[in-house]
Amino acid sequence: QVQLVESGGGVVQPGRSLRLSCAASGFTFTRHDMHWARQAPGKGLEWVAMILSDGLTEHYADSVRGRFSISRDNSKNTLYLQMNSLRAEDTAVYHCARDVTGSWAFDYWGQGTLVTVSS
Amino acid sequence: QSALTQPASVSGSPGQSITISCNGTSSDVGKHNLVSWFQHHPDKAPKLMIYEVSKRPSGVSSRFSGSKSGDTASLTISGLQAEDEADYYCCSYASNIAWVFGGGTKLTV
Repeated sequence: QVQLVESGGGVVQPGRSLRLSCAASGFTFTRHDMHWARQAPGKGLEWVAMILSDGLTEHYADSVRGRFSISRDNSKNTLYLQMNSLRAEDTAVYHCARDVTGSWAFDYWGQGTLVTVSS
Repeated sequence: QSALTQPASVSGSPGQSITISCNGTSSDVGKHNLVSWFQHHPDKAPKLMIYEVSKRPSGVSSRFSGSKSGDTASLTISGLQAEDEADYYCCSYASNIAWVFGGGTKLTV
C-alpha cells in the first residue's frame, strides 16, 4: 500500500536550517508530482511547495519562496524539503503528500514531522 | 492567497446529515472545479474524501458527497457515524501553481 513517512523534524533556533525527508513506498514514485504542506499549532493546513515528477520544476508558496527548497531523489524514492532562515512562524507539522495525476489534488499524505523554531 | 472560510465547528447526531461549507473567491473555488476535501484525525495522516468538487476516491463511502455553487463549495455527510468525528478541510487550486486550504471544521457526532 502507499506509504509516505516523514523524518527530520526537531527544535531549531531562528535563522538556522533544517532538512526534512519523506520516504515513499508502495507506488511508482517517478510517476507522481509531490507536495509539502504544513499545519501550525491550532491552525489550518497550508500548502508549502510542489515538485514535478521529473524533479526539474518546483513551485512555492509566497510565505516560503526564497527560503525553502523542495527536491527529490527518484533513485531513492525520497522527497526533501530544505528549510533555511527559519522563523518562529515556520513552526508546524510538515506533511508530504502525493499528487493525483491530472486532478491537482493530494491523494495520500504522511503523518507528518514536527518542526519547532524557537530560541 | 487568503485561506478559504469554513465554519469552526458543526455537529450532528448519528444517522443525521450535515453540510460543511467552504467559501472562497472567484480566483480559486469559483474559477476552478478543483476543490477537494480531507478528513483529518489528530496525529494521523489526512485522508482525501472528495476531489474535483464531487468525485470520490476508491474506498470512500458514498455517504460523503461534494458540490459547488459559485465561490462556495460544500461537503455533505449523510447517515452520520461515530467514526466520522474528525476535522475536515477543504482545499482549492488557486492558479499560478498554488493551492489554498480552509481553516478546518471540527465535526462532532
